Amino acid sequence: DAKTTQPTSMDCAEGRAANLPCNHSTISGNEYVYWYRQIHSQGPQYIIHGLKNNETNEMASLIITEDRKSSTLILPHATLRDTAVYYCIVASLIQGAQKLVFGQGTRLTINP
Amino acid sequence: NAGVTQTPKFQVLKTGQSMTLQCAQDMNHEYMSWYRQDPGMGLRLIHYSVGAGITDQGEVPNGYNVSRSTTEDFPLRLLSAAPSQTSVYFCASSYTRDSRAKNIQYFGAGTRLSVL
Repeated sequence: DAKTTQPTSMDCAEGRAANLPCNHSTISGNEYVYWYRQIHSQGPQYIIHGLKNNETNEMASLIITEDRKSSTLILPHATLRDTAVYYCIVASLIQGAQKLVFGQGTRLTINP
Repeated sequence: NAGVTQTPKFQVLKTGQSMTLQCAQDMNHEYMSWYRQDPGMGLRLIHYSVGAGITDQGEVPNGYNVSRSTTEDFPLRLLSAAPSQTSVYFCASSYTRDSRAKNIQYFGAGTRLSVL
């Protein structure tokens, strides 16, 4: 699985857009980009994923560069409840399921 | 719909004791997996299974055994607990068949294990 690089920590003001970058320069053609987050010590929660096109759902948007070597997760209107560790993961499907390899993630703090 | 249920939530063991961490899901997911998370670290994959009767090793399988006799359950066994196994353990599940939902893994609330 491709390795990802994320900033250790970020801050964002409540109500503003939070933009979390991720580098994955060794990603291969069949690997997806996934984002999960972990609030306090709870189990990780799926946010969004993509292969090469930009994606949007009710939680966030995912922007993947044309060369697929980096991506950005966008939380459009951050709230205090978005404070969490955000993991960018690159994985391929193994027999139909993703084999996720977690890095240390980005600790995002939303400030009032 | 309970999702992924892990028991117990907390456990303290003495070195050398054995125990089984339970994981059950009620979503008819084919794929199940176990991770451990040490303080300040990301999750590391221990074992995974793509269906009943099929298991495989992840990044850190030593000291752990698994079996998958039913679709719903995926227990993790520690045969002889060591202090290095003190960690938080998470179970996860997902679909594998053709469906956009197959790309989403659902995690349990975790089991916090201390080995003294």
